[in-house]
Amino acid sequence: DQQVKQNSPSLSVQEGRISILNCDYTNSMFDYFLWYKKYPAEGPTFLISISSIKDKNEDGRFTVFLNKSAKHLSLHIVPSQPGDSAVYFCAASETGANNLFFGTGTRLTVIP
Amino acid sequence: DTGVSQDPRHKITKRGQNVTFRCDPISEHNRLYWYRQTLGQGPEFLTYFQNEAQLEKSRLLSDRFSAERPKGSFSTLEIQRTEQGDSAMYLCASSLGLRSPNGQYFGPGTRLTVT
Repeated sequence: DQQVKQNSPSLSVQEGRISILNCDYTNSMFDYFLWYKKYPAEGPTFLISISSIKDKNEDGRFTVFLNKSAKHLSLHIVPSQPGDSAVYFCAASETGANNLFFGTGTRLTVIP
Repeated sequence: DTGVSQDPRHKITKRGQNVTFRCDPISEHNRLYWYRQTLGQGPEFLTYFQNEAQLEKSRLLSDRFSAERPKGSFSTLEIQRTEQGDSAMYLCASSLGLRSPNGQYFGPGTRLTVT
């Protein structure tokens, strides 16, 4: 069963606008969440993370929001740039666990 | 720091053959992970090492799979008697701590095709 879900396989956004990528999870034991970005022929690259004690974490153009009651998180990219075009994976882990559970990814295309 | 490297990048093998992949983590990272990614899916955890000790294995890691990390440096993942269902991207990652600030660093992966 998929414990981390990204229901939008793809998203297209105009350059300069906001990109919002969504992620839902089912495991209430998850307390740490990460977003990774993946370019073709490369491994995933860490983007931003958030602990369950927070509801928002910001790093430059990237902000992650966590809604624990809804078991939902989102990644906002503002402003979107063509170089942001990639596949974005949401991942989660439980306290003390060594592995990450990944979603299926959302392919973001930023149109110049 | 040259990042996580994996070798080979691509491997084509016939069903029933054995294959071995190598991962060189970032040198100061004591934690090493193997994941498998199939088309349209996210990476799925296979196994985890802390230094040379293999501390966790996923149920995805059948008895045809074996991983080692001698001396706590590089790691190898061997698949014996490959099956077509083993075709996937095999990703290696390393990190300093359980929840290091920059997450797990991933290598570029080894793409395995079993014909």
